[in-house]
Amino acid sequence: DAGVIQSPRHEVTEMGQEVTLRCKPISGHDYLFWYRQTMMRGLELLIYFNNNVPIDDSGMPEDRFSAKMPNASFSTLKIQPSEPRDSAVYFCASSLDRVGSYEQYFGPGTRLTVT
Amino acid sequence: QKEVEQNSGPLSVPEGAIASLNCTYSDRGSQSFFWYRQYSGKSPELIMFIYSNGDKEDGRFTAQLNKASQYVSLLIRDSQPSDSATYLCAVRQGGYQKVTFGIGTKLQVIP
Repeated sequence: DAGVIQSPRHEVTEMGQEVTLRCKPISGHDYLFWYRQTMMRGLELLIYFNNNVPIDDSGMPEDRFSAKMPNASFSTLKIQPSEPRDSAVYFCASSLDRVGSYEQYFGPGTRLTVT
Repeated sequence: QKEVEQNSGPLSVPEGAIASLNCTYSDRGSQSFFWYRQYSGKSPELIMFIYSNGDKEDGRFTAQLNKASQYVSLLIRDSQPSDSATYLCAVRQGGYQKVTFGIGTKLQVIP
């Protein structure tokens, strides 16, 4: 399996622009997570899905952020409009719904820079 | 108070020594505990998990859990320069798939 795939790997954009991050989870995994990582705040959960349904979006910082999972093999995280404080590494992770197995498999991340 | 606390380090140990990484958590209902390793510029990867009080060993790694003290630790024996990374402690509350991560401890193993 190719693992969790994210695109783009790097994104540089200007303040006010729309940014879309993409994720393909591991085939067969039931859960998909979006995280943001910064030096100051560490790894923060933004939102997670179970079987394509959003379960908990309490970590989404504000209305500028939105996430969708139209099918089991694709998810997007959108920021509109982007701001410099959104600069971070965004990780997507997936996991299998199995009792006793809660390992999350992370994608390579998207490094977002908003100028 | 943060839900999962770690000292951000860096923790420096000489090659061959034991590295001890610590983590405390605030939710007494937490049931599962994980240690992820993250190399610079890479994504986190799971190296250990523990559910029950006591020790769990896997090769050079030992995870220790004390639920009464709400304390989790990771010991790395015979530390190698290749162990130099940031170690993230993660805690899962009962009944949920989501986990909460600590800020991570940066470990430097000096040759």
